[in-house]
Amino acid sequence: DAGITQSPRHKVTETGTPVTLRCHQTENHRYMYWYRQDPGHGLRLIHYSYGVKDTDKGEVSDGYSVSRSKTEDFLLTLESATSSQTSVYFCAISGGPDYEQYFGPGTRLTVT
Amino acid sequence: GDSVTQMEGPVTLSEEAFLTINCTYTATGYPSLFWYVQYPGEGLQLLLKATKADDKGSNKGFEATYRKETTSFHLEKGSVQVSDSAVYFCALKYARGNMLTFGGGTRLMVKP
Repeated sequence: DAGITQSPRHKVTETGTPVTLRCHQTENHRYMYWYRQDPGHGLRLIHYSYGVKDTDKGEVSDGYSVSRSKTEDFLLTLESATSSQTSVYFCAISGGPDYEQYFGPGTRLTVT
Repeated sequence: GDSVTQMEGPVTLSEEAFLTINCTYTATGYPSLFWYVQYPGEGLQLLLKATKADDKGSNKGFEATYRKETTSFHLEKGSVQVSDSAVYFCALKYARGNMLTFGGGTRLMVKP
């Protein structure tokens, strides 16, 4: 299994509070991604990174920001959490010759 | 833009039944196609892939053939097991950016 961890695995927070989710990899892969998973929508890309300090927006980036100061860590921040951001968040990494994506175990976030 | 459409679930089968999960795509270029599987409480795992037309991906008894003429990548298995119960996602990816576009997912339930 690819070395990807996410923290926390579960979080409950209140509307309006900031939240930061962490993704950590031990594979030294160049690309990292944040997705959210919602019923009926599959996975949708929030942001991705193609190197340290190099990030770009995905399909559903409004209300989210990211940072990558080290190859191994990719942080997702909800600046002011809303109930619509209740979801399961997955981190993924890709690299190597085929650039296949490998996924972390997910973080379940509930915004009350 | 590009998109992936999967049959809606849940799909409920008895053990040893034949499985087909339909997947069709719309793409402006020539993407690679993937099937991912998500077991309860876990992240997504790559099940199989095909990188060009007429390629057949296979793994763990599952197969899918890249059909350019029908823009399809249907997942099949000859005899399902209870342990195959999971959510299955079809996806496409281009080399540039390495970003996946997912279908909505299809839940498979296999009963003994």
